[in-house]
Amino acid sequence: EAQVTQNPRYLITVTGKKLTVTCSQNMNHEYMSWYRQDPGLGLRQIYYSMNVEVTDKGDVPEGYKVSRKEKRNFPLILESPSPNQTSLYFCASSPAIVSNQPQHFGDGTRLSIL
Amino acid sequence: AQSVTQLGSHVSVSEGALVLLRCNYSSSVPPYLFWYVQYPNQGLQLLLKYTSAATLVKGINGFEAEFKKSETSFHLTKPSAHMSDAAEYFCAVSSMNRDDKIIFGKGTRLHILP
Repeated sequence: EAQVTQNPRYLITVTGKKLTVTCSQNMNHEYMSWYRQDPGLGLRQIYYSMNVEVTDKGDVPEGYKVSRKEKRNFPLILESPSPNQTSLYFCASSPAIVSNQPQHFGDGTRLSIL
Repeated sequence: AQSVTQLGSHVSVSEGALVLLRCNYSSSVPPYLFWYVQYPNQGLQLLLKYTSAATLVKGINGFEAEFKKSETSFHLTKPSAHMSDAAEYFCAVSSMNRDDKIIFGKGTRLHILP
């Protein structure tokens, strides 16, 4: 089954404790992206990657890091999480950067930073 | 630059009534337009997309949307609402320009009244 898998689905942690949210897709997609979803703000893009070893900032990259060492994986790293990063996070992938291709989304990771 | 506006953060309709969710876009080039649905505790799923073919686009679950260039609109409709349609709906815009990333609206939560 074609899917985007995120882990963990839920995480409660404390300020300053480094964490990684993993994302993996099994569709051989070139393009992957991370979003955060906050009430009243919709989806905002954090980082995206057009292919292996190619990443770029989205609209709200501060406080986040990503890497793309393999085509299927695109982890999101919070080196020193803060309470304002409490949010619902989604990973998405699509066949290419070509913009008429829909994105496939994971089920989300709800992060709470205390 | 592109933008998308969804009118109404919450919409309530009675079961069996017409569903109309409004989306207006701004784009300096021909747009690609998408509607996504998000059910509770899930990621976004593609409902339908417009990529410059037919202006009336049919999607899954009985939804359709009509691209109206003169009104810069891409409203989502369904003739008869079902309880299972209760979800959050996102309109999104992109284009053939490589520099134009997909932009999501802030979302409309659809409530179905029994």
